[in-house]
Order: sequence, then C-alpha cells, then structure tokens
Amino acid sequence: GESVGLHLPTLSVQEGDNSIINCAYSNSASDYFIWYKQESGKGPQFIIDIRSNMDKRQGQRVTVLLNKTVKHLSLQIAATQPGDSAVYFCAEIRPNAGKSTFGDGTTLTVKP
Amino acid sequence: DGGITQSPKYLFRKEGQNVTLSCEQNLNHDAMYWYRQDPGQGLRLIYYSQIVNDFQKGDIAEGYSVSREKKESFPLTVTSAQKNPTAFYLCASSPDSYGYTFGSGTRLTVV
Repeated sequence: GESVGLHLPTLSVQEGDNSIINCAYSNSASDYFIWYKQESGKGPQFIIDIRSNMDKRQGQRVTVLLNKTVKHLSLQIAATQPGDSAVYFCAEIRPNAGKSTFGDGTTLTVKP
Repeated sequence: DGGITQSPKYLFRKEGQNVTLSCEQNLNHDAMYWYRQDPGQGLRLIYYSQIVNDFQKGDIAEGYSVSREKKESFPLTVTSAQKNPTAFYLCASSPDSYGYTFGSGTRLTVV
C-alpha cells in the first residue's frame, strides 16, 4: 500500500548544529509535499512545501530537498535552536484524492 | 484573526458513552478533515468533507460519525462502537486540498 515514512523516529542534536530529517514516500505520482512541525499538545504547523517539479526549496533556516528518483524527501534545519525541539513529519499531498498521507514523525531534541 | 478552533482541549469519556468533538473554522475553507494521532504514529484520516452536506470515510472511520451542515463546522462523534478511542484528535481545513490548517487538537481519554 501507499505510505510515507521517516527514517528515524528520534534525532538528538547540539544547539547550533544543523539537523537533517528524512522521509521516504511510495507514491511516485505525488506532486506536492509539505513538512510540518508539531510541538507537544499542539496541532501541526506548516514549515515549508515543495512541488514535484522542484528539487530544492529554501525558507528561513530550513531547506527541503526532493529526490524523485529514489522518492526521498529531507528537511534541513540550519543552526538548530532549542525552540526547534518538536515532532517533524512530512505529508504527501494528493488533492485529486481529496486526502493526503502523513509520515509517522521524527522527534527532534535540541541539547543546549 | 482567521483560524480553526477545536473544543474541548481535553475530554473524558466513560465506557459505552458517545462524545462529540467540535471543530469550527472561519477561513472560508471548503474542505475539512478529522485525523487521529496515537503516540509515535502519523496522522490517520477518520473522515473528510470537501463540500457542505457531503463527507467521505477515511482510513479508520469505524466507530466514528460526522456531519457537515455548515461550511464552518465539522463535528466528530466518537461512538461506543469505537473500542479504543483514547487518542489525540486533530481537525484540519483546506481551501484546495493542497495546504492544511490544523486546529490545536482534542485529547480524548476513556475513564
């Protein structure tokens, strides 16, 4: 079946280091992906998105890379801060199906 | 400010009891969704609605029911048929099925 997965359930980094969170997807027809950040007890918040006609997109301190050949998506966070500690998950958006698939999430812990 | 509001934040249910979770949005979004989130797992789709008076079952609809009588509102009822309802429930809305705005969630616990 279709799935969106993250390679690691947890990631611990030192404050100031760069973080890389990975996601693999299985539906090669997907044309849009979103990374979300979810803090404890709260709803997910949009971080950055990318369409399938792009390989890379940059935001403020975040970069998303898309490798369609191997169906892999990554989120890079530069100079990670304590406020970045949260669960991060990717979403594979399928508007034609009226719904999307979400990964299980990677818990990022930033050590001071 | 526009947004999506879920209430209550915490809800306790007794065995055999039906409970309803509220979701209201003032974003003028056509589509609304209910997701269930369990520890260490991704979001699983319960029900979604792309237009008023119409809704579709998601991947785990058994034991749940919804209604969409108004564009702004998409309440979720957790029925006694749902044998393991303890979870974090998230409501979302979207203008075009591309981007989602999520509510802050309702944590339901069976006591």
